[in-house]
Amino acid sequence: GQQVMQIPQYQHVQEGEDFTTYCNSSTTLSNIQWYKQRPGGHPVFLIQLVKSGEVKKQKRLTFQFGEAKKNSSLHITATQTTDVGTYFCAGLVDNNDMRFGAGTRLTVKP
Amino acid sequence: ETGVTQTPRHLVMGMTNKKSLKCEQHLGHNAMYWYKQSAKKPLELMFVYNFKEQTENNSVPSRFSPECPNSSHLFLHLHTLQPEDSALYLCASSPQGNEKLFFGSGTQLSVL
Repeated sequence: GQQVMQIPQYQHVQEGEDFTTYCNSSTTLSNIQWYKQRPGGHPVFLIQLVKSGEVKKQKRLTFQFGEAKKNSSLHITATQTTDVGTYFCAGLVDNNDMRFGAGTRLTVKP
Repeated sequence: ETGVTQTPRHLVMGMTNKKSLKCEQHLGHNAMYWYKQSAKKPLELMFVYNFKEQTENNSVPSRFSPECPNSSHLFLHLHTLQPEDSALYLCASSPQGNEKLFFGSGTQLSVL
């Protein structure tokens, strides 16, 4: 079936460095959502992007939706130890099928 | 606290046991979901209920049986599970289908 591919699987950064995770779909997405799951926790909704080329910011986090609505990225500027966790994208295919990426696990060294 | 409560938090069961997972949401949402989260795999959607009607069943084995008696409660009945069914089972709700998901804390299931 349709899949949403997410890379990298793991990312280890020094505190203060930037971090980016990418999601790609083989088909056009109706929208894409991003979630964060802290270690031992559950996924928590961060944001939803709907429009082609849309860019949204939440403090140090920048979310982008590609022009073709097939890819998306999450960029964190100047990571902090509180950013540790796994970041998931979830793309909505055909308006009724939400597909999660495998997630990118971020660790931050103080 | 997301407004979605799951019990139990942890469950250990043998392959011949019958158990049930419970999920309750206090958000007035109309859609509820069961997801399976295994190590190193994407979140797998198992079942979707919209307005108490099951709208999706992602080829889940019959040893998993969902029940949605009303729009606030969702159960997952487990029967003769296999060790490979060990995972974190997450319940979620959303105002309508395919909107922002609110997840519960999950039930960590171990099948021995």
